[in-house]
Amino acid sequence: DTEVTQTPKHLVMGMTNKKSLKCEQHMGHRAMYWYKQKAKKPPELMFVYSYEKLSINESVPSRFSPECPNSSLLNLHLHALQPEDSALYLCASSQRGVQADSGNTIYFGEGSWLTVV
Amino acid sequence: GESVGLHLPTLSVQEGDNSIINCAYSNSASDYFIWYKQESGKGPQFIIDIRSNMDKRQGQRVTVLLNKTVKHLSLQIAATQPGDSAVYFCAENGAAAGNKLTFGGGTRVLVKP
Repeated sequence: DTEVTQTPKHLVMGMTNKKSLKCEQHMGHRAMYWYKQKAKKPPELMFVYSYEKLSINESVPSRFSPECPNSSLLNLHLHALQPEDSALYLCASSQRGVQADSGNTIYFGEGSWLTVV
Repeated sequence: GESVGLHLPTLSVQEGDNSIINCAYSNSASDYFIWYKQESGKGPQFIIDIRSNMDKRQGQRVTVLLNKTVKHLSLQIAATQPGDSAVYFCAENGAAAGNKLTFGGGTRVLVKP
């Protein structure tokens, strides 16, 4: 079982709503990630936090706003989303915020299924 | 551009047989590769990894082979079981890309009883 915990597992929201996805890990990892995965596609990187600082933003629209309150928590705030934003949102973590390597593998949570109506 | 791809989108295998999933990569600077298993409705689960200074690594019922000459990666699953039915993704670290993984397109493995 994954040690990266995501809530909620399912979320349905309207285009004018504001909601948040939450992620937690207690492995002492210092890097945390948000990925987006559409059906039958591989995960796509959105954001990377390293030592609680945003280190990578893959040109994600501002309607997605990440937040890292501390080294164990990662949030993704959602506002004014579009139906095409419906997807599985995956949180992940790794020991360090540097290149993936043995000992710095990226581990994923079970994801939050988001439907925008 | 640089990419990681898979040769077969769907693989049907008889229970008890061995499965082989292939992956081609094009970034010769990548030095670390991972295989993930993703079951329906779940997140990707780490299976096994390999560094570029190795050509073979074995886990429990799984073996990853790396051929750097032809930039090819494969995952072998021994005695495939119904619980192995899932989508399998290979990923590379792309040595110049920081802590970003590049994923292949995925192969679905269907285990027939």
